[in-house]
Order: sequence, then structure tokens, then C-alpha cells
Amino acid sequence: GNSVTQMEGPVTLSEEAFLTINCTYTATGYPSLFWYVQYPGEGLQLLLKATKADDKGSNKGFEATYRKETTSFHLEKGSVQVSDSAVYFCALSGDSNTGKLIFGQGTTLQVKP
Amino acid sequence: NAGVTQTPKFQVLKTGQSMTLQCAQDMNHEYMSWYRQDPGMGLRLIHYSVGAGITDQGEVPNGYNVSRSTTEDFPLRLLSAAPSQTSVYFCASSGTGSSYGYTFGSGTRLTVV
Repeated sequence: GNSVTQMEGPVTLSEEAFLTINCTYTATGYPSLFWYVQYPGEGLQLLLKATKADDKGSNKGFEATYRKETTSFHLEKGSVQVSDSAVYFCALSGDSNTGKLIFGQGTTLQVKP
Repeated sequence: NAGVTQTPKFQVLKTGQSMTLQCAQDMNHEYMSWYRQDPGMGLRLIHYSVGAGITDQGEVPNGYNVSRSTTEDFPLRLLSAAPSQTSVYFCASSGTGSSYGYTFGSGTRLTVV
């Protein structure tokens, strides 16, 4: 079945450091891929998405490229801020009839001043 | 727009009690889902719906019922609460297809004692 694997956290970085959170997936066909962010005490917000191979999703300085050859969708940001501290979830949707999302376990990012 | 509205935000139940978690969306989305979030386990799908009158089970449906009488509303019923149902519950909605991405509510934190 379809699945998503994320790097385990927590990830602790200093402000202005480069961020990479790894995400790999297993799926049949051509799923859509998503990154969601959850700030403390809040629900999940869609951060970015990509719907076909080689697409790059971007938002708020974050980027991720849909790599079908490596089945990956790694999240990157060139310079993190304290306000980026949150839990990040990678997800895929491979069923267009239901749109069901399959989530990774989540990666906690803590950015220190 | 309000987006996805969940009520209540917090709830404490005694073992064996029943209750309904409310979810409403104002985006005319066909797809709606309920997830539970537990530490270290990410988000797990409880039930989902692809339109009014149509519901199906997700990964962890036992102990929960749903119905979808209107496009806007998708309540989740706990039939006889158990401590294992202590969790944070999220409702989400999406347009049709697999590339839309879900919009999440702010969650209900449920404690069963």
C-alpha cells in the first residue's frame, strides 16, 4: 500500500541555518504530494504541494521538488527563523476518487535564536 | 470565509459516555475526513466521505460513527468513550480529486477519564 516516511526529529537549528527535512514515499501511479505545517496548539495548514514529477512547490521560503526517480519530496528552506518552529508533515494523495491523505509521522523543528 | 469549524475545542468525558464532535465547512467541498492525532503516530484516518450520503471507514474506525446528511456537515460520534480514544481530533475538507489538498479545522482535544 501507499506510505510516507519522514526523517525522525526533533530537528534543532540556529536561526538563519539551512533546513532539510527528508520525505520519501511508496505509491502506485502518480500521487500528489504535500507538506503541511502545524504550529503549537493549532490545526494543520497546507504549506506547499506538487502534483506531478519534477514539479516544485514553494511557499513562505520553503521549497520541495517532486522526484519520481528517487520517490522523494524533501522540504528545504535556505534560512530558518524562530517563527518556523513547528511540526512538519509530509503527505501523499494517490486516490483521486477519495482524495484520502496518507501522512508521515511528522518532524518537529525547533529554531533557536 | 470560516473554512472548517470544529466544536467543541476541548472536552472531558467519562468512560462509557457518548458524544458528538461537530464539523462544518463553508467551502462547498465534497470530500471530508476525520483524523485523530496521537503522539508519535502522526495522523490516522478514522472515517471519510466523498459527498452527502456517502461515508466509508478509514484506518481506525472502531468506536466511531459518522453520517453526512448535507455537504456542509460531517459529525463524528463516539458511541461509548474509552480512555484509548483520548486524542486530538481533526476534521478536514477538500475539493474533488487528489491534487486539491485538504483544509483542516483547529481540532478538538478529547480526554476520556
